[in-house]
Amino acid sequence: GAVVSQHPSRVICKSGTSVKIECRSLDFQATTMFWYRQFPKQSLMLMATSNEGSKATYEQGVEKDKFLINHASLTLSTLTVTSAHPEDSSFYICSALFESNYGYTFGSGTRLTVV
Amino acid sequence: GESVGLHLPTLSVQEGDNSIINCAYSNSASDYFIWYKQESGKGPQFIIDIRSNMDKRQGQRVTVLLNKTVKHLSLQIAATQPGDSAVYFCAVSRGAGGGADGLTFGKGTHLIIQP
Repeated sequence: GAVVSQHPSRVICKSGTSVKIECRSLDFQATTMFWYRQFPKQSLMLMATSNEGSKATYEQGVEKDKFLINHASLTLSTLTVTSAHPEDSSFYICSALFESNYGYTFGSGTRLTVV
Repeated sequence: GESVGLHLPTLSVQEGDNSIINCAYSNSASDYFIWYKQESGKGPQFIIDIRSNMDKRQGQRVTVLLNKTVKHLSLQIAATQPGDSAVYFCAVSRGAGGGADGLTFGKGTHLIIQP
């Protein structure tokens, strides 16, 4: 149980275009989802917290107009990287809470390459 | 500010030996601690977790030890196997209340199992 499905797994886009990444909870309802970013050989860094039905909370230094988060249902959160640039190339990973606040599950990640 | 660190970036052990990976954290309010395994190009895979009301928890071949006094966390892997080769991250709740505010990840330790 508690599976999070993330799509796409890989995406290559041209500089200046936008890319949408989906994160779905398959067998549970996730009122809270999180988006992390991981650069090569580095750790995961929290970008934003996505709450169903409300605005996302962004971490310091993360541009909310560039990384648009929508959590319109209890099973789906999306991250849209707008006007992507090569420096946005990274591994984006979503996660969701289950079992109140003491259960965490991660998606398989999306490798974004901006050319 | 909050920080989570690991003592060794790379740990090499012989197959069949036990391994210990360490993690130090700084936020005394953190009450939820998780160890993840990450293979190249994949999302974090849950290994074991522990809450602050415990100091030891065991799983299959893995044990997590928590010392809240010195804010130290360790992961012990018994009888290591080739499949244990991966990067291991500790993750710490950003405050009390479990993972509701997201997790702070350590820098990662690359565990290499020598045949």
